[in-house]
Amino acid sequence: EPEVTQTPSHQVTQMGQEVILRCVPISNHLYFYWYRQILGQKVEFLVSFYNNEISEKSEIFDDQFSVERPDGSNFTLKIRSTKLEDSAMYFCASTPPGHNEQFFGPGTRLTVL
Amino acid sequence: GDSVTQMEGPVTLSEEAFLTINCTYTATGYPSLFWYVQYPGEGLQLLLKATKADDKGSNKGFEATYRKETTSFHLEKGSVQVSDSAVYFCALSENRDDKIIFGKGTRLHILP
Repeated sequence: EPEVTQTPSHQVTQMGQEVILRCVPISNHLYFYWYRQILGQKVEFLVSFYNNEISEKSEIFDDQFSVERPDGSNFTLKIRSTKLEDSAMYFCASTPPGHNEQFFGPGTRLTVL
Repeated sequence: GDSVTQMEGPVTLSEEAFLTINCTYTATGYPSLFWYVQYPGEGLQLLLKATKADDKGSNKGFEATYRKETTSFHLEKGSVQVSDSAVYFCALSENRDDKIIFGKGTRLHILP
């Protein structure tokens, strides 16, 4: 069964460094999403992406964040200059056309020191 | 804005006990409602969903009914197993392809 995959599973970085989190959505899906979950808190929406552009973003998704689908298979989240409060689990998700069920990846745990 | 409230955990039950995890929501329109489950070390998996009032979603012995009058979507299972130990998230989405809004999650421990 096709799955959403994410790499790496765990990323440790120093404050101020740039990180890129990678996701490979399911191949025939058209909508892509990033969510994050700070430890002990709820899963929060960051951004949705369709037809090579952002369709919606939350207040969390400020100028430090960007998304890209560089090659038709990968979907990346870049944090330009990480802060301590960016430490969280980041989940990628995708949706097939005409459905409202989102398929989630296993997540990347980001630790900012 | 839209929101989801679910009961605090952790919930600890013995095997074969009856499970209820309460969930209520606030939404401006007619959302679709979901329960997602996260097993240890894994991602979020859709457990069940309901798209309109009085619909019942069911999967793996779990059930939840979309109650518009009480804005609730409580998760139930008649006889839990150790393998049901996980974190359960109630969630909603206003429109197809729209973002999902999650509750805080309820950790469930089932003792053998």
